[in-house]
This record gives sequence, structure tokens and C-alpha cells, in this order.
Amino acid sequence: DQQVKQNSPSLSVQEGRISILNCDYTNSMFDYFLWYKKYPAEGPTFLISISSIKDKNEDGRFTVFLNKSAKHLSLHIVPSQPGDSAVYFCAASSNTGKLIFGQGTTLQVKP
Amino acid sequence: DAGITQSPRHKVTETGTPVTLRCHQTENHRYMYWYRQDPGHGLRLIHYSYGVKDTDKGEVSDGYSVSRSKTEDFLLTLESATSSQTSVYFCAISDRDGFSPLHFGNGTRLTVT
Repeated sequence: DQQVKQNSPSLSVQEGRISILNCDYTNSMFDYFLWYKKYPAEGPTFLISISSIKDKNEDGRFTVFLNKSAKHLSLHIVPSQPGDSAVYFCAASSNTGKLIFGQGTTLQVKP
Repeated sequence: DAGITQSPRHKVTETGTPVTLRCHQTENHRYMYWYRQDPGHGLRLIHYSYGVKDTDKGEVSDGYSVSRSKTEDFLLTLESATSSQTSVYFCAISDRDGFSPLHFGNGTRLTVT
């Protein structure tokens, strides 16, 4: 069973607009959430994280929102740039420390 | 970028042969992980290590073994490769277990024919 789910395999947005990537989880013990970006032939790179004591974390153009009651988190990218085109993975961990990843969403930002 | 080197970067092997993938880090991090990436599954944890000679299983450990004899090296062995183990394998490191992002290597693409 998939504890972390990204239900949209792909997303296409226009340059300059907002990209919203979504992630749902089932394990209420998760208390730390992360987003990673992955380019082809490279390893995933850490983007932004949020702990369960917060509902929002910002870093430049990237903002992560956490809705614990809905077990849902989202990543907002504003404004989107062509260089943001990549696969985005959400991940979650509990007190075990092991990261559980979603299936990934491929973002395409069109010039 | 975290100093993580995976070798080889690409490998093609035949069913039934043993295969060893190597992860080398220069960061002196305590925690090391092996993940595999497959379409529709994202990244799944195979094994991890929380210190020299200290390892444990992840969610998809069947058919894999690991060893860590030095802080900097974490080896993943497929004792008898099967076609279902065709995948991209990523090594990751962390200086803490929990509330700390992992840093990944660039992966090894393994094809089992």
C-alpha cells in the first residue's frame, strides 16, 4: 500500500504562471515532509521541507503547504520557469527517520 | 553538492549473476541508504546503514544484501540478479536520522537481461 501518493503523473504550465503539485499521505505518524526535484540522469535534489508543527514554509519561489487534517501537502512554484521542468517527488518520514516517497509528478513549464 | 559517487553508472548483466554496486561518500555522514526508482513506484528504500557494520532492511529488501565496512563505503549486492531488479539505484546519505534531508548520488542504471 502506498503511504505517500502523488495522483497526478504530469502537469504542464505556462512560464510565469503558478505550478501546484499535490501529495497525499495516509500515515498519521508522519511528522516531516520534503519535496525533491529530479532531472534526467541525475539524482534527486532536496528542494524544501516542512515539519508537522508548521502549515507553511517558504523558500524563494517555492512554498510548501501542509494540511494535517486532510493529510495533504502541496508545493507551489511562483513564477514557474522553464528550468523548473523536472520530476518532483514528495516524501515523508516519522520517528523512524526513513523517508517514504511518492510516485513523482513530471512538471513541464512551457516558454 | 554532497560528495557521493556511485559506481558503476551503467551496468548490463545476465539473470542469475551476482552484481555489486558501490556508493562512496566523502562527507563522513553516519547514515547511508540504497533506494531503487521504478516507474509508478517512485523511490523505494532497499537497505540502510546507521553506522559501520550496522545495517537494516527497508521496504523492498528481498534479493539484496548490503555491507558497510568503512564509513565512506556502502555496497549493495544482488546475489543472483533477476529481471525484476532492472532499475535505477540511488545511494543517499544523511548526517542525522530524521528531520534531515537526504542527499543523493547520481544513480546506477542496472539492466538484467
